[in-house]
Amino acid sequence: GAVVSQHPSRVICKSGTSVKIECRSLDFQATTMFWYRQFPKQSLMLMATSNEGSKATYEQGVEKDKFLINHASLTLSTLTVTSAHPEDSSFYICSARGFGGGSYEQYFGPGTRLTVT
Amino acid sequence: AQKITQTQPGMFVQEKEAVTLDCTYDTSDQSYGLFWYKQPSSGEMIFLIYQGSYDEQNATEGRYSLNFQKARKSANLVISASQLGDSAMYFCAMREPGGAQKLVFGQGTRLTINP
Repeated sequence: GAVVSQHPSRVICKSGTSVKIECRSLDFQATTMFWYRQFPKQSLMLMATSNEGSKATYEQGVEKDKFLINHASLTLSTLTVTSAHPEDSSFYICSARGFGGGSYEQYFGPGTRLTVT
Repeated sequence: AQKITQTQPGMFVQEKEAVTLDCTYDTSDQSYGLFWYKQPSSGEMIFLIYQGSYDEQNATEGRYSLNFQKARKSANLVISASQLGDSAMYFCAMREPGGAQKLVFGQGTRLTINP
């Protein structure tokens, strides 16, 4: 089946620094990637949708200058949390969608746990 | 706007019993898709089952079945013969129509299987 990886799985950074999270589709080409954030004991909230070669579309309330998303190739999307603060600590999950339709076309990565100290 | 509601924050079930997790949805679209995902403590989202709005039969995948009642706008997940490994968070989600086909998730239900 389709596999999506994320790197790193866990990251701890100091307040004010930036951190980059990678999302890769390993065995298929992802035309669209989605980035979610999940706070403890809460549901997944969509942050943005990125299409290869174009600017990401952010959901309402998500700061695009703080959460920079780049989808430079059909297999890689990155999320950069700039000037991170403790309130940005969360579980970040990406998912990827390939070409064409189908019932199960969105595949999730294993997630990245970000802790800002 | 589309909305997914899961009214059971937590469920406790004895091993080997069947369990039903509730999910209701609200949409004005005729074409939509409904998903169930399992999220163990490791955090990964595991796809369980899918139901399309035009599918006439309820979806089944092994021990999982989806009780789809379109008129009531409900898409309950039924797990038969529950196992200890079924303990996890379960999320119901709806796929929005359109090019991006984003997923909207419910609040989730924490299922605990007791031995």
